[in-house]
Amino acid sequence: RKEVEQDPGPFNVPEGATVAFNCTYSNSASQSFFWYRQDCRKEPKLLMSVYSSGNEDGRFTAQLNRASQYISLLIRDSKLSDSATYLCVVNGRNTDKLIFGTGTRLQVFP
Amino acid sequence: NAGVTQTPKFQVLKTGQSMTLQCAQDMNHNSMYWYRQDPGMGLRLIYYSASEGTTDKGEVPNGYNVSRLNKREFSLRLESAAPSQTSVYFCASSPWTQNYGYTFGSGTRLTVV
Repeated sequence: RKEVEQDPGPFNVPEGATVAFNCTYSNSASQSFFWYRQDCRKEPKLLMSVYSSGNEDGRFTAQLNRASQYISLLIRDSKLSDSATYLCVVNGRNTDKLIFGTGTRLQVFP
Repeated sequence: NAGVTQTPKFQVLKTGQSMTLQCAQDMNHNSMYWYRQDPGMGLRLIYYSASEGTTDKGEVPNGYNVSRLNKREFSLRLESAAPSQTSVYFCASSPWTQNYGYTFGSGTRLTVV
């Protein structure tokens, strides 16, 4: 089983839609969770951290479910500029290094 | 505001050739990392340097060597390139290993033929 698993998508949604991605992780001891964004042929960039109580940053909401070992990202009022690959990231087993998921691709159309 | 700078951006090598990928950061970060990204595999850690003077293996170190030249610079060397090393290589840095706000360089696209 992969340490971090994501649906690769693509998720094709119209502008203004709400879309949600889930990600599961295998290491129950993981303490740190993040969403990174990667544009086509560009480097990953930190989008937001994921806190136990859930957190929001503008149109983006992240949730953590420790019991089921998944994190989620909700994007409201999608913009064309949200089109990208969203990487789920957790700290790895017995290590403080980050483990990256393979990403979920989002395509927002007019 | 350079952040993390990687060179070269593109490279084509023949099997068996060697090369060094350069990475430099100007954010006074202690920790630096080398990742490779392949389709369907996600980013995988090759080597990292928690602080100046230390280096450690990551998930996929075979076929690579690294040098932490000073606090700013962390290079990745392929001694004898193989087609399996065709990939996109990203260097990243962070203030320390348990600070996960990684800043990535723009990547090096390497093709080994």
